[in-house]
Amino acid sequence: QSALTQPRSVSGSPGQSVTISCTGTSSDVGYYNYVSWYQQHPGKAPKLILYDVSKRPSGVPDRFSGSKSGNTASLTISGLQPEDEADYYCCSYVRSYVFETETKVSVL
Amino acid sequence: QVQLQQWGAGLLKPSETLSLTCAVYGGSFSDYYWNWIRQSPGKKLEWLGEINHSGGANYNPSLRSRVTISVDTSERQFSLRLSSVTAADTAVYYCARGSMWLALDMWGQGTMVTVSS
Repeated sequence: QSALTQPRSVSGSPGQSVTISCTGTSSDVGYYNYVSWYQQHPGKAPKLILYDVSKRPSGVPDRFSGSKSGNTASLTISGLQPEDEADYYCCSYVRSYVFETETKVSVL
Repeated sequence: QVQLQQWGAGLLKPSETLSLTCAVYGGSFSDYYWNWIRQSPGKKLEWLGEINHSGGANYNPSLRSRVTISVDTSERQFSLRLSSVTAADTAVYYCARGSMWLALDMWGQGTMVTVSS
């Protein structure tokens, strides 16, 4: 299993945009589109917010968007809201689910 | 509305076997893979394995020798057994549904499992 890497924390003011990147390899993120993102608030289970790199499940606000370039996937939160303060995880599936370490998003 | 409800022992001694069960309410049971994931106190998420309704299972290679996932389709339940636990297995354990897009789209509430002598 390869390891995915991403920055541990990012912050922004309400209304601003923040982007979290997730770097894998040519064998996982770079090869397949099976990249998903999860949001987790303290004491809660993770929640799926993006799948297939950029698709949003029903009910997820459109301020969450995703993209991929080469071996790096990215999550962008546009128009940051106070409730977006949470931990975010990217995940890649290649015969198994591999999660990276969390990125904490803080809303200033 | 789909809900996953899980239960099991929360305190174990080293060398014992962890046992958790997850029940699925609502939605299709046969169209998905059913997963177990754990989250260490340091917040790291680790996938343990998955199973489909007919019993076909895939496991995390790093834990394969200790993990068994089983399914009871008639009860719409699936279970996790992790043998020979140590303190390193202390974590919150989650059950989750694996969608056709290979993402985990529904999660149980989590069960804190502590391994301590």
